[in-house]
Amino acid sequence: ETGVTQSPTHLIKTRGQQVTLRCSSQSGHNTVSWYQQALGQGPQFIFQYYREEENGRGNFPPRFSGLQFPNYSSELNVNALELDDSALYLCASSLVTTANTEAFFGQGTRLTVV
Amino acid sequence: QKEVEQNSGPLSVPEGAIASLNCTYSDRGSQSFFWYRQYSGKSPELIMFIYSNGDKEDGRFTAQLNKASQYVSLLIRDSQPSDSATYLCVSRALTFGSGTRLQVQP
Repeated sequence: ETGVTQSPTHLIKTRGQQVTLRCSSQSGHNTVSWYQQALGQGPQFIFQYYREEENGRGNFPPRFSGLQFPNYSSELNVNALELDDSALYLCASSLVTTANTEAFFGQGTRLTVV
Repeated sequence: QKEVEQNSGPLSVPEGAIASLNCTYSDRGSQSFFWYRQYSGKSPELIMFIYSNGDKEDGRFTAQLNKASQYVSLLIRDSQPSDSATYLCVSRALTFGSGTRLQVQP
């Protein structure tokens, strides 16, 4: 158990719909990162939030947006879903230090767009 | 060039052998690296991190970092079938390689 929980675990949506995925960070962690992992690929960085502010973004269109709340939990929102958005979405929480940044992952949300 | 590169594999080794997983990186400013293991359908789990040149050992696992050559590796001694998974190399910036799939043959 990493202390990072994601909900829901599985989700089926129709093309064009909107979806919200949720993540509760590990206690004491101030940073959350979201990743998209297609089958057979490594996780692709979507964006990161640090103390409620976006702190970096990968090569994803604006229809991927996020929020981090004062309790450091987070949401990933995807608008106008496309078939290629079908993937495992991973949330990772971490405590950024000067030495290293270990990230602990939730179990992921499997999104299927039909 | 990707920031972190790994051979996708599969790397197949017999049970009891040493598995050697390799990773190269492009950002000379990267100071520390992490190895994650991911079983099929599961989320990645942290195995080791390394931030100094040289070797770091933890049980059957040894991580090696060579900053001059921009090279990171993970050695698994006495490989077990339960080690069969995808191994992901990650830089401090939380940039993932695409992973190497390891198969340990009983």
